[in-house]
Amino acid sequence: GENVEQHPSTLSVQEGDSAVIKCTYSDSASNYFPWYKQELGKRPQLIIDIRSNVGEKKDQRIAVTLNKTAKHFSLHITETQPEDSAVYFCAATPFTGTASKLTFGTGTRLQVTL
Amino acid sequence: DARVTQTPRHKVTEMGQEVTMRCQPILGHNTVFWYRQTMMQGLELLAYFRNRAPLDDSGMPKDRFSAEMPDATLATLKIQPSEPRDSAVYFCASGLGVTQETQYFGPGTRLLVL
Repeated sequence: GENVEQHPSTLSVQEGDSAVIKCTYSDSASNYFPWYKQELGKRPQLIIDIRSNVGEKKDQRIAVTLNKTAKHFSLHITETQPEDSAVYFCAATPFTGTASKLTFGTGTRLQVTL
Repeated sequence: DARVTQTPRHKVTEMGQEVTMRCQPILGHNTVFWYRQTMMQGLELLAYFRNRAPLDDSGMPKDRFSAEMPDATLATLKIQPSEPRDSAVYFCASGLGVTQETQYFGPGTRLLVL
């Protein structure tokens, strides 16, 4: 089955700096890669996703890049703000048109300091 | 703004008692997932359903856990008998499945087994 590794486990950046979180996956059939943000005591919420037919996707201050050859994808947050502080999870799945079984990374705790 | 709902939000029980958690997926979603989240194990997939039929419950301890979908608007996860190691946050998520791979999470049930 799929295995997703995520690094780093914790990340501290100053407000205004950029943050990068990296994930690798093992199943070359995986074609859908979402990123979830989970604030303390809250549900995981989808913030951005990318499919294997594109290499990069951007939404305001967040972007995701995908390297299918190397089987890794990354989340980039620019101009970080205190409200970006949360745990971020990457995930991967070989979606085939039936139910997609997401495999999650272990999470990155991002702390944005003033 | 349609959302997945879960009840109860919090549950404290004693070891050996039965626990039932309920989930109402977003109307029209045909896939439902149950996850368990702990600090040590992260987000683990316990079971998932498509069109109310179980597709995979390999992540679930079969001797004490059971998952069902009595109808399209209700999914249940039961633990009998409960044990202290079951203490965790249990999330339900739903998705469109065949047409879309994104999963939307409910607020979770925080379970504490004493």
